[in-house]
Amino acid sequence: DQQVKQNSPSLSVQEGRISILNCDYTNSMFDYFLWYKKYPAEGPTFLISISSIKDKNEDGRFTVFLNKSAKHLSLHIVPSQPGDSAVYFCAVSNSNSGYALNFGKGTSLLVTP
Amino acid sequence: KAGVTQTPRYLIKTRGQQVTLSCSPISGHRSVSWYQQTPGQGLQFLFEYFSETQRNKGNFPGRFSGRQFSNSRSEMNVSTLELGDSALYLCASSLAAHTSTDTQYFGPGTRLTVL
Repeated sequence: DQQVKQNSPSLSVQEGRISILNCDYTNSMFDYFLWYKKYPAEGPTFLISISSIKDKNEDGRFTVFLNKSAKHLSLHIVPSQPGDSAVYFCAVSNSNSGYALNFGKGTSLLVTP
Repeated sequence: KAGVTQTPRYLIKTRGQQVTLSCSPISGHRSVSWYQQTPGQGLQFLFEYFSETQRNKGNFPGRFSGRQFSNSRSEMNVSTLELGDSALYLCASSLAAHTSTDTQYFGPGTRLTVL
């Protein structure tokens, strides 16, 4: 049973516009949430994270929003650039039961010029 | 600071063989985790090692095992390989600061193909 869902397998956005990637999780015990970016044949690269005590975290063009009541998080990229084209994975963990990351299946983002 | 390194990058084996993959964590990182990525199942947690002890284990058969050395380097072993073991195997390291915000950083992975 999948505990983390990224319901959009792909997303296409024009350069300069906002990209919004969504992620839903099922277990309210998760307390740390991360986004990774992945290119083919490479390992995931850490982008940004948020702990359950916050509802927003910003790092440059990347902002992550957490809605604990809805068990939903999102990644906003503003403005989107062609170099952002990659697969984005949402990952969640529960520090009380180890630090294993549970990943979504990923969303493939294409930013067109 | 060097990132997580994994060797070899590519490997081809046949069914029934065994394989050992190696991972060197970021300097100062004490925890090493292993993940398997396949097209069907996505990224799945295998196990985590800290101070040479397996601290956490995912839902994989006993054919998958690992160990960690005193310098934090880690190896994972898969015995009696099956076709379904073909995957990208990723290693991730973290400080293991025992906080809920312990970020894992990934290596480039080892692409294993089982024929």
